[in-house]
Amino acid sequence: GAVVSQHPSWVICKSGTSVKIECRSLDFQATTMFWYRQFPKQSLMLMATSNEGSKATYEQGVEKDKFLINHASLTLSTLTVTSAHPEDSSFYICSATETATNQPQHFGDGTRLSIL
Amino acid sequence: GQQLNQSPQSMFIQEGEDVSMNCTSSSIFNTWLWYKQDPGEGPVLLIALYKAGELTSNGRLTAQFGITRKDSFLNISASIPSDVGIYFCAGQSRDSNYQLIWGAGTKLIIKP
Repeated sequence: GAVVSQHPSWVICKSGTSVKIECRSLDFQATTMFWYRQFPKQSLMLMATSNEGSKATYEQGVEKDKFLINHASLTLSTLTVTSAHPEDSSFYICSATETATNQPQHFGDGTRLSIL
Repeated sequence: GQQLNQSPQSMFIQEGEDVSMNCTSSSIFNTWLWYKQDPGEGPVLLIALYKAGELTSNGRLTAQFGITRKDSFLNISASIPSDVGIYFCAGQSRDSNYQLIWGAGTKLIIKP
């Protein structure tokens, strides 16, 4: 149980392109989903917290107009990297939890984004 | 941002050896979690701990939630090649709005 599917797993695109990443909870309803960014040899850095039906809460230093998050249903959240540039290249990972409190987060397999 | 103190940073061991890693914090947590991450993949939950003093096993893995709620350890017994990867501890608390506070990771390498 507690499977989170993330798609696509790998994206290579030109600078200026917008890229959408999907995160789905397959066997549970995710009240809250989280989006992380991970740099090589580092732990995960939280970008934003997304609750179903409401606006995402972004961490300090994360541009909300750059990283658009939509959590329209209890099983799907999307992250759109708008007008991506090479510095946006990274490993993006989503996680989901059934409630916002004391439940462990379950992670997707991540999306490797490479901007040329 | 806040980060847990996780050690060791890396471990080079022989197959069959036991492994021990730990995390400490200056803050109290309500939940301690241990994840394993393989290259190019997302973290996979290994063990979740919810009570101070709790000792939980998952196969060859054993983890404990420290009595003070400021530390946790993870032990792996009789390591095998598929144990290779990066292990992260993470803490949750009401004070952090239940967001995960991460350790820097322990990279486990098994010598052939």
